[in-house]
Amino acid sequence: EVQLVESGGGLVKPGGSLRLSCAASGFTFSNAWMSWVRQAPGKGLDWVGRIKSKTDGGTTDYAAPVKGRFTISRDDSKNTLFLQMNSLKTEDTAVYYCTTESPHFDYWGQGTLVTVSS
Amino acid sequence: QSALTQPASVSGSPGQSITISCTGTSSDVGNYNLVSWYQQHPGKAPKLMIYEGSKRPSGVSNRFSGSKSGNTASLTISGLQAEDEADYYCCSYAATFYVFGTGTKVTVL
Repeated sequence: EVQLVESGGGLVKPGGSLRLSCAASGFTFSNAWMSWVRQAPGKGLDWVGRIKSKTDGGTTDYAAPVKGRFTISRDDSKNTLFLQMNSLKTEDTAVYYCTTESPHFDYWGQGTLVTVSS
Repeated sequence: QSALTQPASVSGSPGQSITISCTGTSSDVGNYNLVSWYQQHPGKAPKLMIYEGSKRPSGVSNRFSGSKSGNTASLTISGLQAEDEADYYCCSYAATFYVFGTGTKVTVL
């Protein structure tokens, strides 16, 4: 059974940093392209960015609002996906989901809430 | 990149069919056969319902179907049931990134 479990969310001040993790199991993580999708409270879904599998280059792509501030990485030895978020803004407040990408979003974690507020 | 346009709400009675539209541009919906649809119940993670425009993942009811014409994709739910009441989002691949729709709240009357 595929499982994605996010962690690391919490309250952070504007301008601060936070690192989210997503522990994957039930599939061959090293072969998977992975994405982060977020949802602001009461709002719709927004794609944040992706990381390809290392065999496909391991490159990353980001949505315009987070480019230059967010970094996605992966540790295939630990089946874990990361989202490093720097220079956080109040508008980054959202539930962050990790998903598999193929090229639709098959499996989703339960999400972790990030609140950016002073 | 602007969000794809969906109606804010659609409603129907049990047993009826409803259709949700998703309008994009020639840079996303119109250029790729990679539209997917997601169902989200309150407080839950989204669930994939349709991918590549019209394909259903294993386990998804055949009451859900998808189609596309030009820059507009559509999701049809036939034989509407109480459990179908949820938010629905379309999503399209657009070169190196993805764009989601604005979301549609489906109400079963």
